[in-house]
Amino acid sequence: GESVGLHLPTLSVQEGDNSIINCAYSNSASDYFIWYKQESGKGPQFIIDIRSNMDKRQGQRVTVLLNKTVKHLSLQIAATQPGDSAVYFCAEGGTSYDKVIFGPGTSLSVIP
Amino acid sequence: IAGITQAPTSQILAAGRRMTLRCTQDMRHNAMYWYRQDLGLGLRLIHYSNTAGTTGKGEVPDGYSVSRANTDDFPLTLASAVPSQTSVYFCASSLEEGFNEQFFGPGTRLTVL
Repeated sequence: GESVGLHLPTLSVQEGDNSIINCAYSNSASDYFIWYKQESGKGPQFIIDIRSNMDKRQGQRVTVLLNKTVKHLSLQIAATQPGDSAVYFCAEGGTSYDKVIFGPGTSLSVIP
Repeated sequence: IAGITQAPTSQILAAGRRMTLRCTQDMRHNAMYWYRQDLGLGLRLIHYSNTAGTTGKGEVPDGYSVSRANTDDFPLTLASAVPSQTSVYFCASSLEEGFNEQFFGPGTRLTVL
């Protein structure tokens, strides 16, 4: 069935290094994707989004890449900081809200 | 109030009891949502409301009901709680309906025994 999945459930990176979190999706009809950050004990927080007519979008220290050919989404965090430690998950959707699918998440741990 | 709030923070509930989780936002957002989050399953939509006075079913609506009497409040009710409803519940809101940037509350951790 349709699903959003993450390649790595956990990721540990050294402070200052770049982080890459991956997400695979299977619904080719999805045209909007969001990355969320969820810190322990808190609700998810919007990080960045991208529409299917784009390949790349940059924010502050974060970049989202979309490869529609292989149905792959990635979140790159530059110069990872201890405050970046959290669970990150992607969500995909289209025009119908009941088709939104959230991935289970990847836990990012930053080593000082 | 700043943003979106939920109450209670956590609750332990006996099976069969009725429970209402409260959610209030002060951003004048039109759309509101209720999700449950279970380990390994991610967020799953329970119910949503595109605007005051309207509600819709999400992916896992059974056993839950919602109402949207006004813009700010979106309570979620479990009429007769069951252990499988043990989860963390998040309320969210967005300016517009549909799939777009959502603002999440801090969550309610519910345990049904």
